[in-house]
Amino acid sequence: AQSVTQLGSHVSVSEGALVLLRCNYSSSVPPYLFWYVQYPNQGLQLLLKYTSAATLVKGINGFEAEFKKSETSFHLTKPSAHMSDAAEYFCAVSEGAGSYQLTFGKGTKLSVIP
Amino acid sequence: GAGVSQSPSNKVTEKGKDVELRCDPISGHTALYWYRQSLGQGLEFLIYFQGNSAPDKSGLPSDRFSAERTGGSVSTLTIQRTQQEDSAVYLCASLSRGEQALRGTGELFFGEGSRLTVL
Repeated sequence: AQSVTQLGSHVSVSEGALVLLRCNYSSSVPPYLFWYVQYPNQGLQLLLKYTSAATLVKGINGFEAEFKKSETSFHLTKPSAHMSDAAEYFCAVSEGAGSYQLTFGKGTKLSVIP
Repeated sequence: GAGVSQSPSNKVTEKGKDVELRCDPISGHTALYWYRQSLGQGLEFLIYFQGNSAPDKSGLPSDRFSAERTGGSVSTLTIQRTQQEDSAVYLCASLSRGEQALRGTGELFFGEGSRLTVL
């Protein structure tokens, strides 16, 4: 069975500062990993995904994440935070090819301070 | 429709009443999920439908919860004899069963959710 741990339920950064949201996973098979974002009063939307190709994955809105097998991590970063990045971010893991079951972390709420 | 549509967007009910939540997935998407989002708890998987296959109900928390999907499209989640701990946002997501989905790499498309408050 797979699981996801997101460190920090709430992260605050200043506008223009680096964004780092942490995600660690456990999986019995090579995983696929996803980051989803939820803006206030909206559904979740996909930011980026790792599906066993390049370990550094680029997504929408300037976000990227790096799959590190040795650290079982898939942290999300953005070099410079923008006010519009304020949202809740969810890391999710699936057990690879053929799996339909996504397991989500508890989410990290990002606040951006002007 | 253009996206996943859920109704009602907000529902306030009294403890003990039954509620029905509806999800209309993206046209042509054959896979449909229900998740429950409680404050600080992330997304909890409830049930998964794929075409005509038997649904995966392993996430339903009790026998008060049930869901059906008619004609491979619209789905209804029913909660009987609601309890205060059922208060949450119920999210529906659909997935195309194209090649990406079969390989487990597909993107889930979420609705905006139905916020349920049980008094």
